[in-house]
Amino acid sequence: GAVVSQHPSRVICKSGTSVKIECRSLDFQATTMFWYRQFPKQSLMLMATSNEGSKATYEQGVEKDKFLINHASLTLSTLTVTSAHPEDSSFYICSARNPSRQIIADTQYFGPGTRLTVL
Amino acid sequence: AQTVTQSQPEMSVQEAETVTLSCTYDTSESDYYLFWYKQPPSRQMILVIRQEAYKQQNATENRFSVNFQKAAKSFSLKISDSQLGDAAMYFCAYRSFNTGNQFYFGTGTSLTVIP
Repeated sequence: GAVVSQHPSRVICKSGTSVKIECRSLDFQATTMFWYRQFPKQSLMLMATSNEGSKATYEQGVEKDKFLINHASLTLSTLTVTSAHPEDSSFYICSARNPSRQIIADTQYFGPGTRLTVL
Repeated sequence: AQTVTQSQPEMSVQEAETVTLSCTYDTSESDYYLFWYKQPPSRQMILVIRQEAYKQQNATENRFSVNFQKAAKSFSLKISDSQLGDAAMYFCAYRSFNTGNQFYFGTGTSLTVIP
């Protein structure tokens, strides 16, 4: 159990357009989801924490109006990159927390990631 | 925020040999969790092993084991009998026990396994 999916797995878009990435917990309800960004050969950088039914908490330096996060249900969080530019090209990874396993350390389950390329 | 340091950007090991990846961290907390994640070329993050800070016994998972030195804030990963499938990026991560589920990742170590 505890599978997280992301869609799409890769997307190419033109500069100035918006792109939506979906993160779904397939077999559990996730009250909290996390969005990370990873540049080539670098570590994962936390962008924001998404809580179901409330506003996301963004890390310092992450533009809220550029990276819109919506966690409308217990199984779905979306990240929308608005007015994308080439510098937004990156690998975006989500993870989900399973509250039923709150006391177990490995409660974050990672999605397979989405590669965004902005032309 | 907690910081996690991996001082070895790249490591290599001969197949069937043993390799140790290092990780140090900085925290003022007494209770926390430490993890090693593997990221193969598919980019899917895979949990390798975890350690609860309150446990003195080092965690082991088959060929993977850790050397957890709490006082030194050190958390190294030992891979025994290395296999070609072990080639990947390895990330050390820290999670606070009390302040939510946010993970702090190290910069990663790229492991090459030589046949």
